[in-house]
Amino acid sequence: GAGVSQSPRYKVAKRGQDVALRCDPISGHVSLFWYQQALGQGPEFLTYFQNEAQLDKSGLPSDRFFAERPEGSVSTLKIQRTQQEDSAVYLCASSLSMVTVTDTQYFGPGTRLTVL
Amino acid sequence: AQKVTQAQTEISVVEKEDVTLDCVYETRDTTYYLFWYKQPPSGELVFLIRRNSFDEQNEISGRYSWNFQKSTSSFNFTITASQVVDSAVYFCALSETASGAGSYQLTFGKGTKLSVIP
Repeated sequence: GAGVSQSPRYKVAKRGQDVALRCDPISGHVSLFWYQQALGQGPEFLTYFQNEAQLDKSGLPSDRFFAERPEGSVSTLKIQRTQQEDSAVYLCASSLSMVTVTDTQYFGPGTRLTVL
Repeated sequence: AQKVTQAQTEISVVEKEDVTLDCVYETRDTTYYLFWYKQPPSGELVFLIRRNSFDEQNEISGRYSWNFQKSTSSFNFTITASQVVDSAVYFCALSETASGAGSYQLTFGKGTKLSVIP
């Protein structure tokens, strides 16, 4: 596709439910990032994939958060037993190569998660 | 640790005025990259510019210009003759080369909300 796409755009979950958020990166992009953006804040890093390998998950806030990219393209961020503090916009970004410090990250529209 | 500060939370200007958005960063790395992104109400972060730490030349792109000063660790963004379509939240971000696991993630400021009033 032309850009990064994410689905669903909006998700409402009851506390305790599991959710799965999907990201389709730009075709051919090697690197994929997940960020969490709380209301009124800048995005904060969650995790990074290089192809199918998850090289950095230092930003995941708890073991309830899990991400995968099994075939090196589409990625899924899963949150188990959602809590109210998980309410945020989850942004996915991709960049072309492995040397990502020199690359530009292109962002999707995000998934707005609301936990009731 | 790297850090980005955008001290201006919200700015309002009247259309056609010039406006400067401030960004101050902290890093111990000698090689790093700075970025500006625009986030309109639709929510998608739109890339505006990337600048590496060795290139202090100012850049102009249409009504947008950027002033990078290593001496003051600042990377300010000016919009000339602002328009209503410029209304958005603008984020400054930093990426370092020495980021441990090698993920080169972006560290963002908290953003500046710009409102351009017709």
